[in-house]
Amino acid sequence: SQQGEEDPQALSIQEGENATMNCSYKTSINNLQWYRQNSGRGLVHLILIRSNEREKHSGRLRVTLDTSKKSSSLLITASRAADTASYFCATPFTGGGNKLTFGTGTQLKVEL
Amino acid sequence: DTGVSQNPRHKITKRGQNVTFRCDPISEHNRLYWYRQTLGQGPEFLTYFQNEAQLEKSRLLSDRFSAERPKGSFSTLEIQRTEQGDSAMYLCASTGSGTEAFFGQGTRLTVV
Repeated sequence: SQQGEEDPQALSIQEGENATMNCSYKTSINNLQWYRQNSGRGLVHLILIRSNEREKHSGRLRVTLDTSKKSSSLLITASRAADTASYFCATPFTGGGNKLTFGTGTQLKVEL
Repeated sequence: DTGVSQNPRHKITKRGQNVTFRCDPISEHNRLYWYRQTLGQGPEFLTYFQNEAQLEKSRLLSDRFSAERPKGSFSTLEIQRTEQGDSAMYLCASTGSGTEAFFGQGTRLTVV
């Protein structure tokens, strides 16, 4: 079963606008990761935020984590057509091994 | 290093046939994971290896599924007596000392 839920399920914006995706999860975590998946392809790791961090930046990406609400958000600033993809949050299973449980994903479409 | 490689990229098979997929992880990575992804969903964990040892199998992995990593390098995932419900994208990932997972492009299986 999926650990998390992303919101919205789909998002369509114009190039240059910002895109915000939210993720909620169910159990305690030590980190949360965001991945991108282009249509029909594998996943690419974007950013990892640890449970003791509130915010993290990487280029045009900004991730926040609120462990009290068991939620995270991913902000993509100044979006480009190449950002069109599905975005997933992922958290490690309890028990170690770095196995990941993924949310249901947000499909982002950036239009020219 | 060329990243995680999966073969074949696509497989169409008749119901009841056996299929085998191969994954070549990043060479220095000792952990290898298999995930399954159906349309509109996030990947779901199937099994993982540390070196040649298969350390965990998900309940999703029925008796018809078997995975091996004979020398701690490449891995194979075999599905026997395929069913239409097995149609999905099968993703392989590997990790090294860090928590970031590197995914292959996946093998898309269609059972007709």
